[in-house]
Amino acid sequence: DIVMTQSPDSLAVSLGERATINCKSSQSVFYSPSDVHHLAWYQQKPGQSPKLLIHGASTRESGVPDRFSASGSGTDFTLTISSLQAEDVAVYYCQQYYNSPLTFGGGTKVETK
Amino acid sequence: QVQLVQSGAEVKKPGASVKVSCKASGFTFSDHGVHWVRQAPGQRLEWMGWINGGSDNTKYSQKFQGRFTMTRDTSASSASMELSSLRSEDTAVYYCARGQDSGASLIDYWGQGTLVTVSS
Repeated sequence: DIVMTQSPDSLAVSLGERATINCKSSQSVFYSPSDVHHLAWYQQKPGQSPKLLIHGASTRESGVPDRFSASGSGTDFTLTISSLQAEDVAVYYCQQYYNSPLTFGGGTKVETK
Repeated sequence: QVQLVQSGAEVKKPGASVKVSCKASGFTFSDHGVHWVRQAPGQRLEWMGWINGGSDNTKYSQKFQGRFTMTRDTSASSASMELSSLRSEDTAVYYCARGQDSGASLIDYWGQGTLVTVSS
């Protein structure tokens, strides 16, 4: 199984400041037929279901604010919230969908300072 | 709009089975797969398996193979999962989620979750 490791476990950021979350996969999740990393980021607000923010390591879903960006390649990936808003308080998960079983990182809880 | 509506919360005794259903709307069910993911208290999201919406093709996490069964009814745009031989560690919120396409691929929409509590 591909192990997904996120850091940090939690992060307190002032409103308007940048938040950066890291994710590392235990093996490459690069899918060469489509030239895409099979890496997604989800946001889970308290009491809600996860919501897809990013797929293909860097492609924002429709409707996701552009303060959310993501990058990475190989086995190292990053999600950045450029200017934290109150509504961004949530747990963020990375996930690989390169092969089964699909696996998730442990989550990073983002709070306001 | 895409919606996945799950059945309500369940309380079960150890050793029992539980069945959770998932009714889809807003898209062509047979064009997508349905994933099942659970989240135990304080734990990370855990993928359990996937079923193709238009065929009997399935993939199971080895962890649950043998006591976890997924089914689908394409005509009713619905899917179900059954977990047997329940133990306290199975207490979790169970989610159905849509696969972006017909393969066991990216999850793009999630149901509201069903809390299953296993307690004697």
